[in-house]
Amino acid sequence: NAGVTQTPKFRILKIGQSMTLQCTQDMNHNYMYWYRQDPGMGLKLIYYSVGAGITDKGEVPNGYNVSRSTTEDFPLRLELAAPSQTSVYFCASSYVGYSGNTIYFGEGSWLTVV
Amino acid sequence: GESVGLHLPTLSVQEGDNSIINCAYSNSASDYFIWYKQESGKGPQFIIDIRSNMDKRQGQRVTVLLNKTVKHLSLQIAATQPGDSAVYFCAETHTPPGANSKLTFGKGITLSVRP
Repeated sequence: NAGVTQTPKFRILKIGQSMTLQCTQDMNHNYMYWYRQDPGMGLKLIYYSVGAGITDKGEVPNGYNVSRSTTEDFPLRLELAAPSQTSVYFCASSYVGYSGNTIYFGEGSWLTVV
Repeated sequence: GESVGLHLPTLSVQEGDNSIINCAYSNSASDYFIWYKQESGKGPQFIIDIRSNMDKRQGQRVTVLLNKTVKHLSLQIAATQPGDSAVYFCAETHTPPGANSKLTFGKGITLSVRP
């Protein structure tokens, strides 16, 4: 039972570098999300997608881009890494319907920008 | 504005005692609430949820209480065990059927279980 899988687990970037955090889910969920979690804080929504081909900004989208070409995959792109993007990133997915919206999270990706 | 907040940043309990973690929310339109547990180095894990048409829901050793009058949510853990040590988040959303629904998370409270 893989659930939500994200890679890499850890990464150190230099200021100005670019990278992509990969995320895939095998639960056929329609919604996918990227959150960031700063130390001692709750989760902030970066971007989300309600289905393949559709993405929307969350609370803190600046400095990030996403795409959703398939139901399973939702990569997060950092184009010009900045120290403010040092954080733990969580990918998540859910099936949104009449029964509610329970989100399932990946294990997290620890990113440090130096 | 919308916010979901937790009253205390840390909670220390004796093993075997019951734990109560409280959460306040400010969005009156919220109709769906979830408690998550996050262990060190891991992603949040779903514990229990409750819809606004209920005021209590029970799971295995956990109970969630919802007081819509004062916009308050609590998580009760019975017979707290060392494995319950983690950060707990409440989250809220409103879910019109078929519409976008995004969770708003509180900051989290750390539960520490003393042996």
